[in-house]
This record gives sequence, structure tokens and C-alpha cells, in this order.
Amino acid sequence: GAGVSQSPRYKVAKRGQDVALRCDPISGHVSLFWYQQALGQGPEFLTYFQNEAQLDKSGLPSDRFFAERPEGSVSTLKIQRTQQEDSAVYLCASSLGQSPSYEQYFGPGTRLTVT
Amino acid sequence: LAKTTQPISMDSYEGQEVNITCSHNNIATNDYITWYQQFPSQGPRFIIQGYKTKVTNEVASLFIPADRKSSTLSLPRVSLSDTAVYYCLVGDDYKLSFGAGTTVTVRA
Repeated sequence: GAGVSQSPRYKVAKRGQDVALRCDPISGHVSLFWYQQALGQGPEFLTYFQNEAQLDKSGLPSDRFFAERPEGSVSTLKIQRTQQEDSAVYLCASSLGQSPSYEQYFGPGTRLTVT
Repeated sequence: LAKTTQPISMDSYEGQEVNITCSHNNIATNDYITWYQQFPSQGPRFIIQGYKTKVTNEVASLFIPADRKSSTLSLPRVSLSDTAVYYCLVGDDYKLSFGAGTTVTVRA
């Protein structure tokens, strides 16, 4: 069946530009997560949605980062006024629930390079 | 969150068994132990999860001693396609904490 998809797969932005990264979760998955993965590091949590509600945004590094999931399905992570330190792979994951006993299914990620 | 310690890298050969041990001395009562695998240019993929004793699935086995202060992921008869980064995660939170992982390189 279809897994989690993300677009674009690669994005190059000039410093100061705004970017929008899209995530299409597995159909029926209530929970959706965004992670940021710097080169050579493990993914780090950014934010969590249960359906359309953003229940946890404790990992967002600054107020330039904004995420939404208006209809409880597709989600968009927006970064305003991009900085070089924003260069990373942004991963989206979905699961049937928020309990850690539910497996999180990850997409392939969007590699953002800020020049 | 429980802090985990695992080797930075391991080398193996095709057909061998690979065992990766993760230390988590301050694991809490409600914490699960979960392993993920990540190939280059892909997102992490769930391998196995356990709470105590031994868990086995079609991909791997997870051994957890009674004190739960460590765990060992066992990959039987590895192939070149098992070359990846393996992450040990410990917690009871939806916020997965990955750490740096163990890079396993399988050689022919």
C-alpha cells in the first residue's frame, strides 16, 4: 500500500526566502509528526498533530517555523525567512495513534539546502 | 528521557550474525525499547520493539535482560542490503529520541 510521501524531495532556497514542505500521511493515520535531521545526526522531533489539532510544537526551533494540518490529513511545514542553519532533511511520520507502542511510518524526507 | 549509549560503528560480513548492544541505565518503568533502521536518503524504518525478555519477528530479535538496563538487537545472517544506521530508542513518549545511532557496514 501507499506509504508516507513528501514533496519536494529536494529544495534549494536562498537565505531569507520562505519555503513550504508537504507531507501526505498514510490514509487513516490519526497522528502526524515532523522531525528535522541534520547531517550525520539522528532525527529530532519538531511537532505533533492529532487529526487537525497541533498538540505539541515544543521542538520547533524558532517562530519562523510553522506547521499546519487543516483537514486532518495533508500537513505542511513552513519555514519563513530561511537561514543557513535551517539546512537539513525534514522528515514526516504518521501513525495510528500517539502511544509509543504504535509504529511511526516515515516518509523519505525533504532535503532543504539554504544558500 | 532515558539516555542511550550504542557503538558508533560496526563492521560485519555477509552471512554473519550482527549483535548491537544499547545501554540505557536510567530506563523508566513505563519505557519501551524500540529499534529503527535508516538507509541513506530514506526515512527511518521500525524494526522491532520490546518491553522485557525476548521479542522476535521476521527481521530481527531483541534481547532484554531482567534489569532492562541494556538491550541487544540481533540481525541474523546479514546481507549487503543490511548496511544502514541502526537507532536504539528508549521512552514512553511519542516524541522519538534517536541519538546518533550505530552505522553497520556489511562487506562481501
